[in-house]
Amino acid sequence: RKEVEQDPGPFNVPEGATVAFNCTYSNSASQSFFWYRQDCRKEPKLLMSVYSSGNEDGRFTAQLNRASQYISLLIRDSKLSDSATYLCVVNIDRRRDFGNEKLTFGTGTRLTIIP
Amino acid sequence: GAVVSQHPSRVICKSGTSVKIECRSLDFQATTMFWYRQFPKQSLMLMATSNEGSKATYEQGVEKDKFLINHASLTLSTLTVTSAHPEDSSFYICSARRTSGADTQYFGPGTRLTVL
Repeated sequence: RKEVEQDPGPFNVPEGATVAFNCTYSNSASQSFFWYRQDCRKEPKLLMSVYSSGNEDGRFTAQLNRASQYISLLIRDSKLSDSATYLCVVNIDRRRDFGNEKLTFGTGTRLTIIP
Repeated sequence: GAVVSQHPSRVICKSGTSVKIECRSLDFQATTMFWYRQFPKQSLMLMATSNEGSKATYEQGVEKDKFLINHASLTLSTLTVTSAHPEDSSFYICSARRTSGADTQYFGPGTRLTVL
């Protein structure tokens, strides 16, 4: 089983629509959670951190359910510029065993916004 | 901001040669830098964690003698792919975390390596 699982898509969504992505993680030692976006052949860029209380940044809302080990991202009023691959990322605390932490990436969900 | 640069952005080399990739944090000090690799249509995979002034910690399955990492200062880490082969062709991305503050990693723009 993959440590971080995402639906690869693609999601083809009309401009202005709302789209939701889900992600599950398997390691209960996961301590922090993020959504990154990655444009084609570019580096990942942090979109937002994800907290148990849920958090919102403009059109983007992220939720974390630790009991279900589930993370979500909601994009409202989607724009053409939102077209990208969205990566669910989990930071695993391995300091006791390995002396460091580890970001584990999902394979990403590809989103295309259609004019 | 937190800017991380990588050099070169793209390299094409012959099989058997060694390639050095530099990762620099331009406007902050980074005690820890990370090296990732991403094959086409796959997720980023952590290769190693690099701490300034000490040996890098490699992930399982990553050969430390093939992927040499040096982190000599708080703003520079280098990855050398020794005796590169076509299967080493990939997108190599570094990230850096501030010496103090949150655990956010800032990613460099990546280096696309093609080994002929």
